Amino acid sequence: NAGVTQTPKFRVLKTGQSMTLLCAQDMNHEYMYWYRQDPGMGLRLIHYSVGEGTTAKGEVPDGYNVSRLKKQNFLLGLESAAPSQTSVYFCASSVGLAGPNPPNEQFFGPGTRLTVL
Amino acid sequence: AQSVSQHNHHVILSEAASLELGCNYSYGGTVNLFWYVQYPGQHLQLLLKYFSGDPLVKGIKGFEAEFIKSKFSFNLRKPSVQWSDTAEYFCAARSNDYKLSFGAGTTVTVRA
Repeated sequence: NAGVTQTPKFRVLKTGQSMTLLCAQDMNHEYMYWYRQDPGMGLRLIHYSVGEGTTAKGEVPDGYNVSRLKKQNFLLGLESAAPSQTSVYFCASSVGLAGPNPPNEQFFGPGTRLTVL
Repeated sequence: AQSVSQHNHHVILSEAASLELGCNYSYGGTVNLFWYVQYPGQHLQLLLKYFSGDPLVKGIKGFEAEFIKSKFSFNLRKPSVQWSDTAEYFCAARSNDYKLSFGAGTTVTVRA
């Protein structure tokens, strides 16, 4: 099992450009999450999904959109990148509430380092 | 929503010293607690977790944490650190939903 994978690993954008970050998991997890990690602020939840075809806003959703067309994939989009979106982005997944006990341990991908100039 | 605070931003210590990192959470009901570690250039890995039962939880690599409900705390400890323990450590809490709230993280630097 590869676990949680993310592409790309690094990306540099100019202000106003768009891009999509891809997250894939092969653990058949129901729940998937996108976080951003900034110095001194820990991880903050951007968007999450509790199943295929569903998405919801997290703590810092502005400027991002997501889609979960397939259970194993969770895409994070930036339509018009801004320097404030320079960050490291982590995807995570976990079993749903109906999963084996204990639930909700999240498994993280390796991260994508994004720089917006 | 749950909030998590970590008391130390950066801890520097020598090999073989003891380590204790503080973590407090805000939610007063049933809570699940986690410590994650992020080694330089790597993704987050689970060190240990508390769901119920024995409040003293043992994790990987010699780490342990104690859940003290009356103090809303879940402090991480290791009796004798190694250079390889240099990393960033995150405390996280989950209350009545499936989302985790993370603390700001503590950078631990172990000097050889």
